[in-house]
Amino acid sequence: AQSVTQLGSHVSVSEGALVLLRCNYSSSVPPYLFWYVQYPNQGLQLLLKYTSAATLVKGINGFEAEFKKSETSFHLTKPSAHMSDAAEYFCACSNFGNEKLTFGTGTRLTIIP
Amino acid sequence: NAGVTQTPKFQVLKTGQSMTLQCAQDMNHEYMSWYRQDPGMGLRLIHYSVGAGITDQGEVPNGYNVSRSTTEDFPLRLLSAAPSQTSVYFCASSLRVDTEAFFGQGTRLTVV
Repeated sequence: AQSVTQLGSHVSVSEGALVLLRCNYSSSVPPYLFWYVQYPNQGLQLLLKYTSAATLVKGINGFEAEFKKSETSFHLTKPSAHMSDAAEYFCACSNFGNEKLTFGTGTRLTIIP
Repeated sequence: NAGVTQTPKFQVLKTGQSMTLQCAQDMNHEYMSWYRQDPGMGLRLIHYSVGAGITDQGEVPNGYNVSRSTTEDFPLRLLSAAPSQTSVYFCASSLRVDTEAFFGQGTRLTVV
């Protein structure tokens, strides 16, 4: 079984500032890790995923995440926030042999003009 | 390419009524799943399927049934609706659980 913890249900950053959204996972075997974004009244879209290749993963819209096994973390970052980044972000985890994709509770990102 | 199609988009039910939420995908994906989204709780897995004829329970399966008679369709049945089932429901499909999941637009269900 695996679990995902997202620290901070709400994060606010100024336009142009660094975005950092935190995700920690728990898995007894090497995990597959994902970040999804949800815009208002829409379904989720994949931002990026880690599946045991490079530990630094680049995604769409300038986002990237780094897999750190020692810290069991997969934090999402973007160097410079844009107003269009305002959305809810979900970290998710699965692993080999477990057919369930588990989501965190989400972080709502607000961008301050 | 329609992707994942969910119907209906909105539904109001009375306590005790039953209904089926429809989900269809046209990407020939083997893996399909149903989630419910509630404020502060993220997405919780209700049921999932790794292929036609195979289904299994997720985190919150009570009160819901599923079947997978074809690769394309994965309906979710509410047997006897309760106010606690008021939620937004999402269907998703992917090639496998470790590949990108494609989500439908969601069904907003209110049980009164």
